[in-house]
Amino acid sequence: SAVISQKPSRDICQRGTSLTIQCQVDSQVTMMFWYRQQPGQSLTLIATANQGSEATYESGFVIDKFPISRPNLTFSTLTVSNMSPEDSSIYLCSVEWDRGRSETQYFGPGTRLLVL
Amino acid sequence: SQKIEQNSEALNIQEGKTATLTCNYTNYSPAYLQWYRQDPGRGPVFLLLIRENEKEKRKERLKVTFDTTLKQSLFHITASQPADSATYLCALTTDSWGKLQFGAGTQVVVTP
Repeated sequence: SAVISQKPSRDICQRGTSLTIQCQVDSQVTMMFWYRQQPGQSLTLIATANQGSEATYESGFVIDKFPISRPNLTFSTLTVSNMSPEDSSIYLCSVEWDRGRSETQYFGPGTRLLVL
Repeated sequence: SQKIEQNSEALNIQEGKTATLTCNYTNYSPAYLQWYRQDPGRGPVFLLLIRENEKEKRKERLKVTFDTTLKQSLFHITASQPADSATYLCALTTDSWGKLQFGAGTQVVVTP
């Protein structure tokens, strides 16, 4: 399995600002994903972070709002841009570390975001 | 539209009993289905995976069944313990690229 850390663990932000969330994995992984979990709801996939190319976004999510970087196989960032209170949520990264041996995903601890 | 439904009501169960959770889906042909556990303030933790051609999977006190005809998975926790109290999520994928669609989860509360 992989050990995944996220920074920050939580933050309180003002409307209109942006926050960048970091996801660090202790080993190289093939797939990295970003999810959102709104209060009382389940996880919704935002995008797949692709190493060396643009992220693949799910319906309802766009690059201008959630730009993603993945410069290497152990690190990714998600930026929540021009935030509004509706962006208050937990943001989680997950990894699938060896396709072909395991289709399971390992999740980071999450970043709890509150937008005022 | 595709839907994954889990019982939204919390399941309260006495220690030692078997907890049974349901995951129903519509408009999916999942390649496999997974169950995760989520504790408050933490990310989900993988428990079990079952493929479309498998009927049942076990791991210690956990058992998962998968009925692609009924479009349903059942998740059982036998000899439940207070430490099993958490929210349990089912997740489906239909492709080989790892994109998971999650149900809303069912909270389990095990009382001594």
